[in-house]
Amino acid sequence: QVQLVQSGADLKKPGSSVKVSCKASGGTLTSYAISWLRQAPGQGLEWMGGIIPIFGSVNYAQKFQGRVTITTDAATNTVYMDLTSLRSEDTAVYYCAAPPLGYFDTTGHFDYWGQGTLVTVSS
Amino acid sequence: EIVLTQSPGPLSLSPGERATLSCRASQNVTRSYLAWYQQKPGQAPRLLIYGASSRATGIPDRFSGSGSGTDFTLTIRRLEPEDFAVYYCHQYGSSPPAFGPGSKVDIK
Repeated sequence: QVQLVQSGADLKKPGSSVKVSCKASGGTLTSYAISWLRQAPGQGLEWMGGIIPIFGSVNYAQKFQGRVTITTDAATNTVYMDLTSLRSEDTAVYYCAAPPLGYFDTTGHFDYWGQGTLVTVSS
Repeated sequence: EIVLTQSPGPLSLSPGERATLSCRASQNVTRSYLAWYQQKPGQAPRLLIYGASSRATGIPDRFSGSGSGTDFTLTIRRLEPEDFAVYYCHQYGSSPPAFGPGSKVDIK
């Protein structure tokens, strides 16, 4: 079964951008839909968007439209989430997650999770 | 957009007791596409239930889900020490997907 391994924690200044990676091992990206979610400190989960590499389709939550970009690199079996114009409210743990093998829907249900990446936005 | 609310608030129970958690949707959840997750501090969520009542792979049968439409329930039949955690419901029947605010089950 697939394992999702994310890049390490990052500290960013307000107004800058962050790029978080999610590398799949034990499976190929084209067999999965990959989503990005986040969790602010002490808060619940929030879906940001997702990508289905085999179809080349991407969708984003309206809240993040224009600020988030999700891409893939098939050569390295990696998905990236790029978030721009960072503000303090973007401080959160960011997760990549995937539904079961062959379930091509970015909205859930999430069977596989990365370990999470803490992004801190502070001046 | 569908909004999910969860109850009760923090639930204090003893090992061996039964936990009943509720998730209510502001609109009908299409095809009962409702999932439950368990999350412990510092860890990613873990899928327990999908499709309202199907257990995910490797989930013990003390966890069960039920419900349809707008009202769903997660039941933990006999709490084990490792079950004390926060539980989230998640609807994925319509976009955008939504999560409830979570219900904490802690040790009495």
